[in-house]
Amino acid sequence: NAGVTQTPKFQVLKTGQSMTLQCAQDMNHEYMSWYRQDPGMGLRLIHYSVGAGITDQGEVPNGYNVSRSTTEDFPLRLLSAAPSQTSVYFCASRGLGSRETQYFGPGTRLLVL
Amino acid sequence: QQQVKQSPQSLIVQKGGISIINCAYENTAFDYFPWYQQFPGKGPALLIAIRPDVSEKKEGRFTISFNKSAKQFSLHIMDSQPGDSATYFCAALGIGGSNYKLTFGKGTLLTVNP
Repeated sequence: NAGVTQTPKFQVLKTGQSMTLQCAQDMNHEYMSWYRQDPGMGLRLIHYSVGAGITDQGEVPNGYNVSRSTTEDFPLRLLSAAPSQTSVYFCASRGLGSRETQYFGPGTRLLVL
Repeated sequence: QQQVKQSPQSLIVQKGGISIINCAYENTAFDYFPWYQQFPGKGPALLIAIRPDVSEKKEGRFTISFNKSAKQFSLHIMDSQPGDSATYFCAALGIGGSNYKLTFGKGTLLTVNP
């Protein structure tokens, strides 16, 4: 099992550019989510999904879009990048059973100039 | 509104010492409390977790103590080693409608000096 994979590992964008952060998991997990991690702010939930075709907003959804067309993939789209979106982004997945372990990907480091 | 409060923000311990990180929660619907460990440049990974029907869980040098009446739980790292230097996050997961989302504390940066 590859677990949770994310691409790219690092990206530099200019303000106003758009891009998609890719996330995939091979554990057949229903639940997938995106977090951003900033110094002193912990892990903040951006969007999450409980299955194909179902998505919902987390704590900090503005400026980000998601879709879930398959169980395996959960891409995060930045529509018009802003310097405030400079962060490290983590994708995570888990089963929907009670108390199941949540697995994180290795992260994507994004710099918006 | 921060539902899980974690302290301290940073902690420096000498090798062989005990590291203690504390968390407090407000939502009584939480019923699962995991701790995650994150090394620089890596994603967080599950370290140890506890349910509210037990007061303590131990795995090797890592122990969670849980106080349901006080709505507090803590991570103790015995005989701390330089390899334990990492960021630690406590988290909580609820039952019912809030069961999808883990709520994280803001993290504790642990440094173990040799």
